[in-house]
Amino acid sequence: QVQLQQSGPGLVKPSQTLSLTCAISGDSVSTNTTAWNWIRQSPSRGLEWLGRTYYRSKWYNEYAVSVKSRITINPDTSKNQFSLQLNSVTPEDTAVYYCARGYSFVYWGQGTLVTVSS
Amino acid sequence: DIVMTQSPDSLGVSLGERATINCKSSQSVLYGSNNKNYLAWYQQKPGQPPKLFVYWASTRESGVPDRFSGSGSGTDFTLTISSLQAEDVAVYYCQQYYSYPLTFGGGTKVEIK
Repeated sequence: QVQLQQSGPGLVKPSQTLSLTCAISGDSVSTNTTAWNWIRQSPSRGLEWLGRTYYRSKWYNEYAVSVKSRITINPDTSKNQFSLQLNSVTPEDTAVYYCARGYSFVYWGQGTLVTVSS
Repeated sequence: DIVMTQSPDSLGVSLGERATINCKSSQSVLYGSNNKNYLAWYQQKPGQPPKLFVYWASTRESGVPDRFSGSGSGTDFTLTISSLQAEDVAVYYCQQYYSYPLTFGGGTKVEIK
């Protein structure tokens, strides 16, 4: 059974960097059969896919245009996890952030409410 | 980007009655080479992540009650709850995984009338 466990701070100051981690059990971040995603949800933007990382003989990343200049998703094979960094955050980035596996998403993290506020 | 438009925004249905949720994509999500529609439906309850209910537009995820059914092809899709139960009160979302960025509909809130 695949489980995704998120960790990271729930409060970030404006202009700083949001950092979250998603620890994987029951699967490998290095698998070549799926992808590892970050998704956020807010009342104003609904469910918004942010990006993904996946391995197909080498590592690839794809990001949503809306955050492309500010986002990095990195795999960590030593800890079997992947991370999200979102730079220069504003209150508009306040949302519940989820990690999820795949293309249609069976497995989700528990969600982390991140509030951007001074 | 493929825009997913759901209707209605909210829906009040009596217990035991049928609920129908619509989802329209701005371009086809039918992949010609395998004849599959890259369309999923999710149920979300407060404080929980979305739960996958249907994929390939009409395939129920394991454990999903058979009163839920997905249909449609190309750009027009429907999620039907044949006989609404109290536990079905939730928000339902469609999502396309045909192309990136992956996109979701705005959600349909299903309530008991």
